[in-house]
Amino acid sequence: SAVISQKPSRDICQRGTSLTIQCQVDSQVTMMFWYRQQPGQSLTLIATANQGSEATYESGFVIDKFPISRPNLTFSTLTVSNMSPEDSSIYLCSVVEGTHGYTFGSGTRLTVV
Amino acid sequence: GQNIDQPTEMTATEGAIVQINCTYQTSGFNGLFWYQQHAGEAPTFLSYNVLDGLEEKGRFSSFLSRSKGYSYLLLKELQMKDSASYLCAVRDEGKAGGSYIPTFGRGTSLIVHP
Repeated sequence: SAVISQKPSRDICQRGTSLTIQCQVDSQVTMMFWYRQQPGQSLTLIATANQGSEATYESGFVIDKFPISRPNLTFSTLTVSNMSPEDSSIYLCSVVEGTHGYTFGSGTRLTVV
Repeated sequence: GQNIDQPTEMTATEGAIVQINCTYQTSGFNGLFWYQQHAGEAPTFLSYNVLDGLEEKGRFSSFLSRSKGYSYLLLKELQMKDSASYLCAVRDEGKAGGSYIPTFGRGTSLIVHP
C-alpha cells in the first residue's frame, strides 16, 4: 500500500498566522484528500486535490481559508490561513488505493493560541 | 448525503467478543468501510463491504445489510491493543466528479480491560 509522509506532525501557532502542511506519497495518485478531525469528532472532508486543476472544496470550506496546491501526482500542500483557536484540530491527508481502501498520512496536530 | 450512527463508547474484557454497530442512511450506497484509529495516530483500514454478508479477516469480521442500512464490526479474542476508536465510513454515488468519497461516523471508542 502507499506510504504517505506528512509534516509537520504537530505545531503550535499564533492566531492570525498561517501554517502549510505537506504530504508526500511514494507513488503517483490521481486524487488526494484533506480531512480535519476536531477533538472527539469524526473526520470531515475539507477538499479533494486534483493534479492540474483547482481543488474541490466541501460545503463550509473555502479556498481563501484553506488554499491547496497539487503540483504533481505525488505531492500536495494544505495551508490553514489567518488561524484562530477554532482551527485547532488534527489535519490529515489521504489517498485512495484501488477501488477501496484509503490510506492516511500520520496527521498534523495543530494548536492555535 | 449520509447520516451515520454508531455508539460513542463501549467497554469489553480481554479475550471476549465485542460487536460495534453502525447504521446509515444514504442516497446511493457504494460501499462501507471500517477503520481503526489509536489515540494520536491516523486511521488504518480494517475492512470494506459492498455486498450483503460477512467478511472475515482474522480476529475481525464485518457484516453488511444494505436493505437495513446496517453494518457491524465483530472483534474476537480481544486484546489490550484493540483499545482504539473504530470508525464506520459510508461511500455513496453522486459526489462531484464521481469521486466516491466516504463520509465518516463519529467513531466508537472501545476500551478493553483485563
